[in-house]
Amino acid sequence: EVQLLESGEGLVQPGGSLRLSCEASGFTFSSYAMSWVRQAPGKGLEWVSAVNGDGGSTYYADSVKGRFTIFRDNSKNTLFLQMTSLRADDTAVYYCAKLRWGMTTVNMDYWGQGTLVTVSS
Amino acid sequence: QSVLTQPPSVSAAPGQKVTISCSGSRYNIGNNYVSWFQQLPGTAPKLLIYDNNKRPSGIPDRFSGSKSGTSATLGITGLQTGDEADYYCGTWDTSLSAGVFGGGTKLTVL
Repeated sequence: EVQLLESGEGLVQPGGSLRLSCEASGFTFSSYAMSWVRQAPGKGLEWVSAVNGDGGSTYYADSVKGRFTIFRDNSKNTLFLQMTSLRADDTAVYYCAKLRWGMTTVNMDYWGQGTLVTVSS
Repeated sequence: QSVLTQPPSVSAAPGQKVTISCSGSRYNIGNNYVSWFQQLPGTAPKLLIYDNNKRPSGIPDRFSGSKSGTSATLGITGLQTGDEADYYCGTWDTSLSAGVFGGGTKLTVL
């Protein structure tokens, strides 16, 4: 059974940093691209970032480019999102998701439960 | 302002059929596969349709997807109260080099 378990939830001040983790199980982690998607309170889904299977290729939304870094440790079946220079509008539930195939696509077939990031002073 | 445009809400009676549209451009829907997701209140999104019209295992054939040009459509037949949820379309945008979602459509089963 595929499982994605996020952690790293927290309250952080504007300008601060936070690292989210997503531990995967139930599939060959290194064979699949992974993505982060966020959802601000009461709002819709926003694609954040994606990384390919070996971690060598990444994409970012313009809203987070230069501030967020997606990376993975395939030896630990874990996906990460390092967030810096956080702003109030980064407040959201962050989901990690497995892509069904490819990387330049939005075909997330498994999602984590989500972890809440709150940016506030 | 979402790159993909969806109606904010749709409604229909139990047992009826509803369609949800998703409009984009040649940079996204026009040249890339479309997926559809269902999000029940308080839960993570769930993949309903991928590659425009394919259903993952376990998704009933009441749900269907289609694409024409720069628009895509999700169809749901035999509506049930349990189908009340937010529905999102998504695809890759070649000009942005990023994934994009529609703003979401709230389905009410009257």
